[in-house]
Amino acid sequence: QPVLTQSSSASASLGSSVKLTCTLSSGHSNYIIAWHQQQPGKAPRYLMKLEDSGSYNKGSGVPDRFSGSSSGADRYLTISNLQFGDEADYYCETWTANTQVFGGGTKLTVL
Amino acid sequence: EVQVLESGGGLVQPGGSLRLSCAVSGFTISSYAMTWVRQAPGKGLEWVSAITGSGGSTYYADSVKGRFTISRDNSKNTLYLQMNSLRAEDTAVYYCAKDNSGSYLGPIDYWGQGTLVTVSS
Repeated sequence: QPVLTQSSSASASLGSSVKLTCTLSSGHSNYIIAWHQQQPGKAPRYLMKLEDSGSYNKGSGVPDRFSGSSSGADRYLTISNLQFGDEADYYCETWTANTQVFGGGTKLTVL
Repeated sequence: EVQVLESGGGLVQPGGSLRLSCAVSGFTISSYAMTWVRQAPGKGLEWVSAITGSGGSTYYADSVKGRFTISRDNSKNTLYLQMNSLRAEDTAVYYCAKDNSGSYLGPIDYWGQGTLVTVSS
């Protein structure tokens, strides 16, 4: 089954942009993933589905500041014009016919 | 509007049982795959179990296989997770989630607020 690898932490300044990475394991580079945001003390929230082509579909109410892209086995979440409210854990998710898999999550700090 | 609401969490002794419920509205539960995900204190998300929409095929993580059972009541638009032989390592917030596919799994597009399960003597 696929494994998703994420950096444990990232930081960026208020108003800047940040690009978070989720890397698919060998042999799974064409998998579709989803990005989820979990703000402190809250339930996760679906952000978008991201294909290997770089095409993405965002969930309802997700701001335009959030976008996705892909390169090979890497799937990216870019957040522009960072706000303090973007400080959260970000998880990627993928799935097969009989399982779903999450990355370890990236904790984003807005400075 | 899609809503997902879990209930049934609480404190249970090791070896005990608990049944979680997930009442949904805004969609028909039999039309979409549904998933349980848990999060141990201070840890990341862990997939637990899922059931497909059409056909109702069920799937489990190795860590809970043989102990947990996922099911649904279409007439009540409610999903369940029966948890038996509970262990300390099952302590977590359990999230019910809707997938955006019917016949297959993933991705999750709506999450519930979660219910806390604590396994301790």
